[in-house]
Amino acid sequence: GAGVSQTPSNKVTEKGKYVELRCDPISGHTALYWYRQSLGQGPEFLIYFQGTGAADDSGLPNDRFFAVRPEGSVSTLKIQRTERGDSAVYLCASSPTAGAHTDTQYFGPGTRLTVL
Amino acid sequence: QQQVKQSPQSLIVQKGGISIINCAYENTAFDYFPWYQQFPGKGPALLIAIRPDVSEKKEGRFTISFNKSAKQFSLHIMDSQPGDSATYFCAASGNNFNKFYFGSGTKLNVKP
Repeated sequence: GAGVSQTPSNKVTEKGKYVELRCDPISGHTALYWYRQSLGQGPEFLIYFQGTGAADDSGLPNDRFFAVRPEGSVSTLKIQRTERGDSAVYLCASSPTAGAHTDTQYFGPGTRLTVL
Repeated sequence: QQQVKQSPQSLIVQKGGISIINCAYENTAFDYFPWYQQFPGKGPALLIAIRPDVSEKKEGRFTISFNKSAKQFSLHIMDSQPGDSATYFCAASGNNFNKFYFGSGTKLNVKP
């Protein structure tokens, strides 16, 4: 079985542009997480989906960031009016059971976003 | 406030030596403490995890030591190998949380 996949692997954009980052979780995993990892730092929580709904979006830094998971599988992280400070690796993770936050989280390879 | 503090930032160990990475946490409601290993260009992968009802957990060459009263836990890598060279992250979570709180990472370099 395939692991978590993320596309694109790299994204270079200009300040002010809109970007979408895609995550394909492991099939059947109910819980999906987005994290942001800046250079030399640990992953920082952005948002958690339980099925189709965002159960916790407290980590989204501002209203330029938005994420969806319309059918409970694939998720898209959307960033409007990108800023240079948004440059980071965006990681997606999935786990088998919604609501059990001590489950192993399986991470994708990440999307490296560079805002020029 | 950083929930999980990790040290050292980087570590160089000779092949066959013991690598030790330390973490401290603030919130006593945490009840799950995993360690993740990350290679360049890859996502983090679970290495080993512990719950506070035990003081030590061992899996192969990897051991977690847990000190509940001190709110500290550490990863010990015995007989370190060059293939262990990676960045290691401690984390904390629990059933009252919707996320993992990660430490800032330790870059381990095992010299052959």
